[in-house]
Amino acid sequence: GDSVTQMEGPVTLSEEAFLTINCTYTATGYPSLFWYVQYPGEGLQLLLKATKADDKGSNKGFEATYRKETTSFHLEKGSVQVSDSAVYFCALISGGYNKLIFGAGTRLAVHP
Amino acid sequence: DAGVIQSPRHEVTEMGQEVTLRCKPISGHNSLFWYRQTMMRGLELLIYFNNNVPIDDSGMPEDRFSAKMPNASFSTLKIQPSEPRDSAVYFCASQRNQQGETQYFGPGTRLLVL
Repeated sequence: GDSVTQMEGPVTLSEEAFLTINCTYTATGYPSLFWYVQYPGEGLQLLLKATKADDKGSNKGFEATYRKETTSFHLEKGSVQVSDSAVYFCALISGGYNKLIFGAGTRLAVHP
Repeated sequence: DAGVIQSPRHEVTEMGQEVTLRCKPISGHNSLFWYRQTMMRGLELLIYFNNNVPIDDSGMPEDRFSAKMPNASFSTLKIQPSEPRDSAVYFCASQRNQQGETQYFGPGTRLLVL
């Protein structure tokens, strides 16, 4: 079945460091790919998405490119801030269904 | 838009009691999802509705759990009787029923069963 694998956390960085959170997927067909973020005590919010190969999603300085050849959708940010500390979830929707398949989540902690 | 609304935000109850969680999706969204989040199992999809009809309830843990969507603007998730292992954060999300559309999550209900 469809699945998402993302790097285990926690990821601990200093402010202004470069961030990469790896995400790979297995899916039949051509999934849409998402990154959601969950701040402490809150629900999940969409961070960015890409719906076809080679699309780049971007938001708030974060970027991810849909790579069909490597079945990946890695999240990157050039300079993280303390306020980026959160849990990040990679997810996909495949086929004719609306069911989101989530990765396990990666906790990011950014220190001043 | 008010976003997805869930109530209550926090619930503390004793084992054996009935618990009802409520959700109001975003107006115009015709898919609704209930998720459970725990440290041990992460984020799990319990059930989802399309146009008020349950489409996939394979994630519902057992018969103690039931969900209804009597109309397009309201859904409930009921646990009867509740058990300590049901303690979790329960999220409701809604979406327009089109490929690739974004799911919008509510703030969650934090449930503690003593």
